[in-house]
Amino acid sequence: KAGVTQTPRYLIKTRGQQVTLSCSPISGHRSVSWYQQTPGQGLQFLFEYFSETQRNKGNFPGRFSGRQFSNSRSEMNVSTLELGDSALYLCASSFDSWTPAFFGQGTRLTVV
Amino acid sequence: GNSVTQMEGPVTLSEEAFLTINCTYTATGYPSLFWYVQYPGEGLQLLLKATKADDKGSNKGFEATYRKETTSFHLEKGSVQVSDSAVYFCALRDSNSGYALNFGKGTSLLVTP
Repeated sequence: KAGVTQTPRYLIKTRGQQVTLSCSPISGHRSVSWYQQTPGQGLQFLFEYFSETQRNKGNFPGRFSGRQFSNSRSEMNVSTLELGDSALYLCASSFDSWTPAFFGQGTRLTVV
Repeated sequence: GNSVTQMEGPVTLSEEAFLTINCTYTATGYPSLFWYVQYPGEGLQLLLKATKADDKGSNKGFEATYRKETTSFHLEKGSVQVSDSAVYFCALRDSNSGYALNFGKGTSLLVTP
């Protein structure tokens, strides 16, 4: 069974630009969550999507948004990038919110 | 709110030594508890889990027991290997947080030959 796939693995963007990250969950998993990992703040929850609906949201500004498609694939978008958005963005999929979450390898975003 | 506290690292051990990484939590509900491991340049891998008090999760020689009375979920392994070198994260999730995973800050483990 294929794992969680995140693309791209690495990105370099300039301040003020926007970026879109993609996540393909494990087949059959309907819940997709996104997390930001930084050395200073650790792992922080961004949002969760289930059956194309956002079910939960962390404490991040509105520049961070996401969506989920009918095939459960998810994208997250960050607009007006800031230097502080440089991080490893991790996607996790699970069958439902309370079942174990499995993570992808992440997308390393560097904002210059 | 929910929170997870892990022992500060880095932890350096010789191969075949006994490992304990302490984890305590604060939660208003009845959380499920997890240990995840992150190898350099990789995402998180689920190592083990426990969903209710007194449950013991185990995998690849690692164990952790859900202790409600001490709000703890300490990770242990009897004999570590060089390949266990990684960062270990304790996490909880419950309905009060919409099932979002709440992570500790991670404990870096280095095992030397």
